[in-house]
Amino acid sequence: DGGITQSPKYLFRKEGQNVTLSCEQNLNHDAMYWYRQDPGQGLRLIYYSQIVNDFQKGDIAEGYSVSREKKESFPLTVTSAQKNPTAFYLCASSISASAADTQYFGPGTRLTVL
Amino acid sequence: QQPVQSPQAVILREGEDAVINCSSSKALYSVHWYRQKHGEAPVFLMILLKGGEQKGHEKISASFNEKKQQSSLYLTASQLSYSGTYFCGTGVTSGTYKYIFGTGTRLKVLA
Repeated sequence: DGGITQSPKYLFRKEGQNVTLSCEQNLNHDAMYWYRQDPGQGLRLIYYSQIVNDFQKGDIAEGYSVSREKKESFPLTVTSAQKNPTAFYLCASSISASAADTQYFGPGTRLTVL
Repeated sequence: QQPVQSPQAVILREGEDAVINCSSSKALYSVHWYRQKHGEAPVFLMILLKGGEQKGHEKISASFNEKKQQSSLYLTASQLSYSGTYFCGTGVTSGTYKYIFGTGTRLKVLA
């Protein structure tokens, strides 16, 4: 079955710790995205990648880092520099980074900072 | 820059109709519509590519007016399963390309 997987589903972190969220897709999509969603709010773009070994900052990249070493994988690291990291994190992919391409989402990771 | 959706929230009884609007200050070349259930990921509903295009998906349809930089989502004879938050989404190019979502519309269907 083709799709996007994110792990873990729930993640708890102590203040000051870095944590990495996994995102894998087997759809052969070139573009991948990370979004943050706060309760009752919309989706805000953190980072996106149009192709392997390339990525661009979105609207709220501060305190986050990403890598794109493989087409299938786009992990997101939430660093200790992110002041308020508790949120729902969604990974998505699309065939390409074109306005006409639909984004398909993974199930999300809910991060809570204790 | 973010497309503005209206209304922000709507409550319906089963069987009633609703319209959700998405307006952009920038030119729209395509519009996607998604529905997100509470605690879940957004799910793609449909894409509109051409000016004035209308599409349908079960009892949910949409229109897209390039000139007005607007899209509308029409839900007819609403069902309980239609409850959720609806987002429009579009790609924009301002230097580099990126994808942005609208402000969202919370829809609740009551029995």
